[in-house]
Amino acid sequence: QVQLQESGPGLVKPSETLSLTCTVSDGSISGHYWNWIRQPPGAGLEWIGYIHYTGTPNYNPSLANRVTMSLDTPKNQFSLKLNSVTAADTAVYYCARAYSSTWSWYFDYWGQGALVTVSS
Amino acid sequence: QSVLTQPPSVSGAPGQRVTISCTGSASNIGRGYDVQWYQQLPGKAPELLIYENNNRPSGVPDRFSGSKSGTTASLAITGLQTDDEADYYCQSYDTRLNAVFGGGTKLTVL
Repeated sequence: QVQLQESGPGLVKPSETLSLTCTVSDGSISGHYWNWIRQPPGAGLEWIGYIHYTGTPNYNPSLANRVTMSLDTPKNQFSLKLNSVTAADTAVYYCARAYSSTWSWYFDYWGQGALVTVSS
Repeated sequence: QSVLTQPPSVSGAPGQRVTISCTGSASNIGRGYDVQWYQQLPGKAPELLIYENNNRPSGVPDRFSGSKSGTTASLAITGLQTDDEADYYCQSYDTRLNAVFGGGTKLTVL
């Protein structure tokens, strides 16, 4: 059973960079798409982007100019950086594995989530 | 404004049947992309409930079922239980935006 765990600072100052890491246990990074999804307090889910196991990223167009994702295959980890944060970036951030086929794209394993608050 | 449209809330009594709709467009559901449903219990991460329109992961009771037609998908829950109280999200793929979600539907079991 694949397990994912987010880690990183829970408080980030406005205009600074949010950084989170997801560690994948009981499964390999190879062969899958690794995603970040966020959920502002009391709101719905927003896909941030993914990084493929080959290292190729793909970002939500609304966040693409502020997002960077990377992979550390030997450590079975992938990471998110979101720069120039504002209070609107306050959210629970989830990492998730995606399954992909011709007509299907879905998230079969999720981390428990990490609350990141943007505040001075 | 979510790309996929869901009703904000639905409710039903224990034992009853409820349905939740999810409406998309020609660039996602209408294009033929599959729809998934996730259940999010209070304070927890979302969990995959239905994948590829009407398939259940191992461990999901057959009280939960999904369907899709045209630009709309539906989640049906029969034999409502108090444990079913949760937020439910639909999700699909969009040709312009990649993974997209509905705004979520809060299910209340009366």
